[in-house]
Amino acid sequence: DAGVTQSPTHLIKTRGQQVTLRCSPKSGHDTVSWYQQALGQGPQFIFQYYEEEERQRGNFPDRFSGHQFPNYSSELNVNALLLGDSALYLCASSLATSASPDTQYFGPGTRLTVL
Amino acid sequence: AQSVSQHNHHVILSEAASLELGCNYSYGGTVNLFWYVQYPGQHLQLLLKYFSGDPLVKGIKGFEAEFIKSKFSFNLRKPSVQWSDTAEYFCAVSRSNDYKLSFGAGTTVTVRA
Repeated sequence: DAGVTQSPTHLIKTRGQQVTLRCSPKSGHDTVSWYQQALGQGPQFIFQYYEEEERQRGNFPDRFSGHQFPNYSSELNVNALLLGDSALYLCASSLATSASPDTQYFGPGTRLTVL
Repeated sequence: AQSVSQHNHHVILSEAASLELGCNYSYGGTVNLFWYVQYPGQHLQLLLKYFSGDPLVKGIKGFEAEFIKSKFSFNLRKPSVQWSDTAEYFCAVSRSNDYKLSFGAGTTVTVRA
């Protein structure tokens, strides 16, 4: 059973650059959520994608954008990187049509360092 | 705004000791409740979840949690911890008809052999 996968594992960028992170959902899942986890904190919700559209967004600036592809995989893009964007970026997948409330399963994350 | 509070930042225990981690949330409507665990070097894994029904929920690896609606709490327990329970534990809450999970800051649990 293929779990949630993310790439790359680690990434180092400089201020002002742009970055793209990738996520493949767990087999059978159709919904992808992205979270930012700063050091020593819990994950913070960025947005969720379902049917190739952003379904809900957290309190993050427009520099954070995303995309979902027909195969349900997703990308997170961050423009004009700031030092404060350094964090672990987590992708979570779920099945929107399940009978019970959304249960999200997380990938290993991408560690982004902005210098 | 909804928030999730975890009472302890770091807990240190000896093997065979009992564990209880507190979690409170500040939202009055219907909620879905989760505990996730992150073992060293691994990704977040679901320990257990509560949607409705019996407020005492059993999860994997001998963990259980109790939902007390009047106290807005969802505390995690394990009667006897093992060294392998050393990890970071996160409480998370979602509202009905809301897609996001709101997480607490996490509790680091260190079990001494």
